[in-house]
Amino acid sequence: SAVISQKPSRDICQRGTSLTIQCQVDSQVTMMFWYRQQPGQSLTLIATANQGSEATYESGFVIDKFPISRPNLTFSTLTVSNMSPEDSSIYLCSASTDTQYFGPGTRLTVL
Amino acid sequence: EDQVTQSPEALRLQEGESSSLNCSYTVSGLRGLFWYRQDPGKGPEFLFTLYSAGEEKEKERLKATLTKKESFLHITAPKPEDSATYLCAVRATGGYQKVTFGTGTKLQVIP
Repeated sequence: SAVISQKPSRDICQRGTSLTIQCQVDSQVTMMFWYRQQPGQSLTLIATANQGSEATYESGFVIDKFPISRPNLTFSTLTVSNMSPEDSSIYLCSASTDTQYFGPGTRLTVL
Repeated sequence: EDQVTQSPEALRLQEGESSSLNCSYTVSGLRGLFWYRQDPGKGPEFLFTLYSAGEEKEKERLKATLTKKESFLHITAPKPEDSATYLCAVRATGGYQKVTFGTGTKLQVIP
């Protein structure tokens, strides 16, 4: 199994600013993912964080808006850039061994 | 494209009233089907992985089963603490570990 922590757990931000979310896994994992979960909705994959190379983004998500870093096999960051109220959501980090495990999420509110 | 459909969207049970949640899936080749539990404001908590038709797994009051087209999560004599949203997800065969989620079933167990 994998234990995943995220920081911050929640934040309230102003429109136009950026927020970086950190994700730490307690063991080395090959695959890390970032998801978004809007209120009352299921999980939507934003991107796969690749160690040593650029992230792979899903349709509808772009690097300029959601830059991702993956400096090693246990850590990743997601930045939400130039935020608008539509970015208010829960952002979840996930790590995959044979099973996909999730962090506790970061609840973001943009005013 | 992989698809996961869960039903019902919401389910309200009396304590002790057993029932089942359904997850229908379409995938080119199934590498794994996952069940998660998600409490409000928290990340999904892993419950089960099923790999092939006919497989069953149990944990306390929960039992997951798998056929070639769907999976069921059976809840026996539920308690109020079983109230949560239950998510189903599938991973297809191939080198990419992307997981596709359903929209979930929100379960409420009334004392």
